Amino acid sequence: EVQLVESGGGLVKPGGSLRLSCAASGFSIGSYCMNWVRQAPGKGLEWVASISSTTGYTYYTDSVKGRFTISRDIAKNSLYLQMNGLRTEDTAIYYCAKNIYSGYDNSFDHWGQGTLVTVSS
Amino acid sequence: QSALTQPPSASGSPGQSVTISCTGTSSDVGGYNYVSWFQQHPGKAPRLMIFEVTKRPSGVPDRFSGSKSGNTASLTVSGLQAEDEADYYCNSYAGSNNLVFGGGTKLTVL
Repeated sequence: EVQLVESGGGLVKPGGSLRLSCAASGFSIGSYCMNWVRQAPGKGLEWVASISSTTGYTYYTDSVKGRFTISRDIAKNSLYLQMNGLRTEDTAIYYCAKNIYSGYDNSFDHWGQGTLVTVSS
Repeated sequence: QSALTQPPSASGSPGQSVTISCTGTSSDVGGYNYVSWFQQHPGKAPRLMIFEVTKRPSGVPDRFSGSKSGNTASLTVSGLQAEDEADYYCNSYAGSNNLVFGGGTKLTVL
């Protein structure tokens, strides 16, 4: 059974850093494109970042480029999101999601339960 | 990249059909066959219902179907059931390695 479990969320001051983790089981993250998607409280979904399976290429939404870094540890079967220079508008539930295929697209077929990041002074 | 446009709300009675639209531009919805739809119940993670405009993942009832015409994609839910009441989001590839979501539609089963 595919499972994704996020951790690492919490309260951080503006300008601070956090590292989110997503532990995967039931499949190998090296075989699928993996993603982070966020949802601000009471708002809609926003794609944040993706990492493709075969090449390891990374992709980011414009608002996080240069501040966030998506990475993976295939041996640990875990996905990460390093978030630096956090802003109040980054406050959201962050979801880890797996693609149906190895390639980069929007077929997010399995999701974690999410981890809440709150950026506030 | 601008968000795709969805109606804030939609509704239908049990057994009826309802269609939710997702309007973009020729740079996203109209330019690629990479439109997905997600269902989200309150307090839960989203669930993939449709990908690549018309494909259903395993386990999704065939009451859910997707289509596209020009710059507008649509999700149709036939034979509405109480458990279909949820928020629905569309997503499209938008070129230059970007993905963009719609603002979401709250579906109410009357």
